[in-house]
Amino acid sequence: KNQVEQSPQSLIILEGKNCTLQCNYTVSPFSNLRWYKQDTGRGPVSLTIMTFSENTKSNGRYTATLDADTKQSSLHITASQLSDSASYICVVSARDDKIIFGKGTRLHILP
Amino acid sequence: DTAVSQTPKYLVTQMGNDKSIKCEQNLGHDTMYWYKQDSKKFLKIMFSYNNKELIINETVPNRFSPKSPDKAHLNLHINSLELGDSAVYFCASSRWSPGTDYDSGANVLTFGAGSRLTVL
Repeated sequence: KNQVEQSPQSLIILEGKNCTLQCNYTVSPFSNLRWYKQDTGRGPVSLTIMTFSENTKSNGRYTATLDADTKQSSLHITASQLSDSASYICVVSARDDKIIFGKGTRLHILP
Repeated sequence: DTAVSQTPKYLVTQMGNDKSIKCEQNLGHDTMYWYKQDSKKFLKIMFSYNNKELIINETVPNRFSPKSPDKAHLNLHINSLELGDSAVYFCASSRWSPGTDYDSGANVLTFGAGSRLTVL
């Protein structure tokens, strides 16, 4: 069964600290993996997209990694800012066109 | 210009009523989607249309009827609203079409801002 599991469910850190969000998936056959950021009251916005052959991709202070062998991805946020407070959703696409969403990690940045 | 726009942003209505949510995208995308986000913030696909044709219908009650007059619009009509329909509904679009190269990033979704439906 195609599934995307994210951890932790929620995370609270102080402004300026780093954090790492995890995504494990069982989607097969794998096409690509994306991380979205969803601010409160807004629609999700794509942060990164990674295909099978990509291990690391950065977007500013966000760095995503992908291990296609273990079917794990992580999103690392460096020097967190208050504006990073949001839900981060891992989304995996299968080659049969299915798009599977994780339930998200709710990140709270405290000043 | 807003890429994917939904109206209304907020909708409060009584149980049993019929309501519609409209969505328009100006990105030239071929595929549009409706997602439902429940109170636990989990996004669940409801429908997907490619060039005005229904391609995904995820066991949604037939009280929900999507309509796509053209590939830039996908509207959602809900009949006989129930309390459990209360949620945020997101419209999205992507460049993807059947046969698109899977690794091209074509199926990156662009979401609208959401329509919060409250059924009393």
